[in-house]
Amino acid sequence: NAGVTQTPKFRILKIGQSMTLQCAQDMNHNYMYWYRQDPGMGLKLIYYSVGAGITDKGEVPNGYNVSRSTTEDFPLRLELAAPSQTSVYFCASSYRLTEAFFGQGTRLTVV
Amino acid sequence: ELKVEQNPLFLSMQEGKNYTIYCNYSTTSDRLYWYRQDPGKSLESLFVLLSNGAVKQEGRLMASLDTKARLSTLHITAAVHDLSATYFCAVDASNRDDKIIFGKGTRLHILP
Repeated sequence: NAGVTQTPKFRILKIGQSMTLQCAQDMNHNYMYWYRQDPGMGLKLIYYSVGAGITDKGEVPNGYNVSRSTTEDFPLRLELAAPSQTSVYFCASSYRLTEAFFGQGTRLTVV
Repeated sequence: ELKVEQNPLFLSMQEGKNYTIYCNYSTTSDRLYWYRQDPGKSLESLFVLLSNGAVKQEGRLMASLDTKARLSTLHITAAVHDLSATYFCAVDASNRDDKIIFGKGTRLHILP
């Protein structure tokens, strides 16, 4: 099992560009999450999903969009990238009421 | 809104000493998680605490949960350098909206 796979691992974007961060899990988890981690800070929840077709906002959803068309995939879309979105992004998945398993992260720099 | 607070946020200690990290949260929850993160790496699950009074131990780390006080502790016994990392607690607000909310983390630096 690969667990939670995030691509790309690193990306540099110019201000105003858009991109999609990919996240896939092969553990048949119904819950998936996107977090961002700023330097020296904790994790902030961006969006989460409790199953295919169901998504909801977390603590910091502005500037992002998500979709969940399958159980396995939970892409995060950045529209009109801004320097404030420079961060490390982590995708995670879980069964309900169990700990989340994390991907390796995507380090994004917006210049 | 669920808030999770950890303290201290930074801790420098010598090998062989004992210390405790505290995690307070603001709303009712029966589930709390502790994670470890090494620099530049992802998060690794350490403990899952599922009910009031739960205690879990792994090596020199012991975690406990008091749901009435909305408090969890992570106790380090006779610290060794390999335990240097950032430790996060996270609370599962499953009784409200299925979010898992993290604290800011405690950066632990153990001096040889």
